[in-house]
Amino acid sequence: LQLQESGPGLVKPSETLSLTCTVSGGSINTSAYYWGWIRQSPEKGLEWIGSMFHSGSTYYAPSLRSRVTMSIDTSKNQFALKLSSVTAADTAVYYCARQMAAVPINFDPWGQGTLVTVSS
Amino acid sequence: NFMLTQPHSVSESPGKTVTISCTRSSGSIARNYVQWYQQRPGRAPTTVIYEDSQRPSGVPDRFSGSIDSSSNSASLSISGLKTEDEADYYCQSYDGNNHVVFGGGTTLTVL
Repeated sequence: LQLQESGPGLVKPSETLSLTCTVSGGSINTSAYYWGWIRQSPEKGLEWIGSMFHSGSTYYAPSLRSRVTMSIDTSKNQFALKLSSVTAADTAVYYCARQMAAVPINFDPWGQGTLVTVSS
Repeated sequence: NFMLTQPHSVSESPGKTVTISCTRSSGSIARNYVQWYQQRPGRAPTTVIYEDSQRPSGVPDRFSGSIDSSSNSASLSISGLKTEDEADYYCQSYDGNNHVVFGGGTTLTVL
């Protein structure tokens, strides 16, 4: 199974960051896994953003919940992230990852990551 | 929510054993499983330990994990250190709402 992030590498402040994760080598439409987004910056380290199920149910990090929307397209084997009202603090490498649906919550595998810079 | 605190860096010589700690700030470390990830420069993290002490297939048995309720911490030990073990290591757990928490990461230097 492989995951690949895609989307703009540069986003202006106050705009919306949009990323897509394409899953290959397996179906996203499975009850065995959730699909998650994690970001990494030098300032904050690894930070979980949110996770979603193939049915569309989601749960988000409390600190980002007001700005995050995740969606899934099982026909394209893709899931997506939108983060609104971005600031420079949202500059990070964004990863998508597969997450076990049952505990423990473990992310494996991860995509290669994509750098998103917030700047005017 | 709780935090996971790791030492910023550790170093040890090849062939030796190093242990990296991960201390939970509140709530029992035993309440929710701890995972450990290895991240080499420019690469995505990969799992080296899950469920406190389980190794995924392909991870050498030089890697081991444990938890200690007395110190409310988890530990990752790497024995027979090799230069290829140089990397950043992150612990990760979750709370009762399945909100995920990562530790700040530890840079391992093998010198």
